[in-house]
Amino acid sequence: QVQLQESGPGLVKPSETLSLTCTVSGGSVSSGGYYWTWIRQPPGKGLEYIGYTYYSGSTHYNPSLKSRVTISEDTSKNQFSLKLTAVTAADTAVYYCGRGGSSTWGAIDYWGQGTLVTVSS
Amino acid sequence: EAVLTQSPATLSLSPGERATLSCRASQSVSSYLAWYQHIPGQAPRLLIFDASKRATGIPARFSGSGSGTDFTLTISSLEPEDFAVYYCQQLATWTFGQGTKLEIK
Repeated sequence: QVQLQESGPGLVKPSETLSLTCTVSGGSVSSGGYYWTWIRQPPGKGLEYIGYTYYSGSTHYNPSLKSRVTISEDTSKNQFSLKLTAVTAADTAVYYCGRGGSSTWGAIDYWGQGTLVTVSS
Repeated sequence: EAVLTQSPATLSLSPGERATLSCRASQSVSSYLAWYQHIPGQAPRLLIFDASKRATGIPARFSGSGSGTDFTLTISSLEPEDFAVYYCQQLATWTFGQGTKLEIK
């Protein structure tokens, strides 16, 4: 059973960089055909796609966030990470990591529980 | 980039009733569409992918249909645990619809 767990600071100051890590168990980030994905949900709003890294090292980002986002893998730790620069209060959200499955056409079949990140001074 | 519009925003029904949720794309996404259920405080759960295929472990009362620009998620007979927010997601550029809240009438 694949499990994902987000970790990182719960509070980030405006203009700084938000950094989160997703640790994967029961599966490998170096396995072919999976989309290791970040999604967020601002308070009172819907789900927003942030981006993914694919096993070959390729990435895809939401165009609205692309200039500030980096998603990368650390295969030695079986983790992938999210960095979001120059954050503002609008980046306050619950951040989820997930795995887009090769057998589900990329739809996210495994999710972390989510972690709340607040942007505030 | 296809924009997804879900309707209605809120749907009020009673247990045992049939629920029909709509997701419309601004341009064709073929069958590259998924549906998720999200209960507040929990991780979202994949229900349907490829517009009509049920994910592993999803009860048969959930079904998806459509292709191109118009998609439907149907819950044939609502159970108490089905009251949640439902999102569609198109799998070409990965964007989500704004959600439909299914609430108890």
